[in-house]
This record gives sequence, structure tokens and C-alpha cells, in this order.
Amino acid sequence: QSALTQPASVSGSPGQSITISCTGTSSDVGSSNFVSWYHQPPDKAPKLILYDVSNRPSGVSSRFSGSKSGNTASLTISGLQAEDEADYYCSSQTSSRSLVVFGTGTRVTVV
Amino acid sequence: EVQLVQSGAEVKKPGESLKISCEGSGYMFSFYWIAWVRQMPGKGLEWMGIIYPGDSDTRYSPSFQGQVIMSADKSNNIAYLQWSSLKVSDTAKYYCARGFSSTTVYSHWGQGTLVTVSS
Repeated sequence: QSALTQPASVSGSPGQSITISCTGTSSDVGSSNFVSWYHQPPDKAPKLILYDVSNRPSGVSSRFSGSKSGNTASLTISGLQAEDEADYYCSSQTSSRSLVVFGTGTRVTVV
Repeated sequence: EVQLVQSGAEVKKPGESLKISCEGSGYMFSFYWIAWVRQMPGKGLEWMGIIYPGDSDTRYSPSFQGQVIMSADKSNNIAYLQWSSLKVSDTAKYYCARGFSSTTVYSHWGQGTLVTVSS
């Protein structure tokens, strides 16, 4: 089970929008609507920010949005803020039903 | 309030056994899947597997099958992750996380348990 591919780093200025891609295969992202995104600030536990491709849990800012096309899912952060600096991970259900694979992770820097 | 509280940091030698815990509170522990996730130093998240405390149904990632054992004590709302013979390469922070809308989405996370294996 190979990790989903994400860019190692993405940066943006305050107020800008950035997009993080998450590329898998037809055995995971391409065949599942159970794609999630997590935000992990330095030395903290991950936090769920999107699930089922584009749904936000209660309390998560509407600046976070998600989409999927084929084998690639995307997370967009609009109105970038300093507090968005963190590592971001996607995850997907695999064709083996209950099994999950995470992405390689993306470090977001606000410059 | 849903909380997952994990046991404290451990320092072990290669070959030793270890069992770490994850105690849930603020919800019906038996009815939500618990996942275990490894994060090696400076690296990304790796999904190890999940357990359903209600009946101890367990699913392992192929990468971790046979390397660890997941268990749960639903009477005391605790999930466990154990090793019978640790390796230096098991050095990592281990997180437990509670299932959300499905077995594959995790809405609440423990604070992590740092396991250091060194001779």
C-alpha cells in the first residue's frame, strides 16, 4: 500500500489561496469518496478538517474546501492566515474497504 | 466532551515487549472504531489499523500485520497497542484516533505516545 503523493511544501502570502494536491491510484482515491484531510500543527496531534472529499466537520473554517477528479483530490485554503502554517495530510479508503492510506504530507508556509 | 488520553512516553531496549493505551471518555466507547497511526521522527502519518471495541473486530494494514497487536477493553473504555519484541525502527510517536462517519475518518485524536527503542 503506497502512500498517496502530495507536494512536500506549498507557500503563500496572507490572504492568498493555495491548493494542495493528493494523487493516488484507481485502487484508492480514484475509487473512493472517503477522502479526508488533516491539519497537524508542529508538535501537535492531527485534526480533521475535511471528510468525504468536501465536507467540513462542525467548527472548521469555511476557508477550507475540497474536491476530487479522477485519482487526485485537492484541498484549497483561501484567505491564507498565519495560523494555517502546519503539515497537511490527505487520506483515502482503499479498495480493501476498511483499510486507509495517508498522503506523504505537505508543509504549508505563510510567507 | 470526547477525549482520548494516551499513556505516557516509553523508553525501551530492542527485544523488549510493550503495551501502550488509549482511554476514551465522553462518548459510547464500544460503538466507535479506534485507529492507530504511527509517525516516525520527522516523517508522515502511517495508518496501522483499526479496532471496534464492541466486538474487538480488527483490521490491520499489511505493513503492520504480524508486527503489532491491537486490543480493547470495552468495560474500561481502553484500547491497546502492543509489541512482543521491539525494534529500533519502532521508535515513533503513536496516535490513537476515534472513528467519525465511517471506519476511515477520524474526528478525535489522542495526544500521542512517544516510544523510543534504543540499546
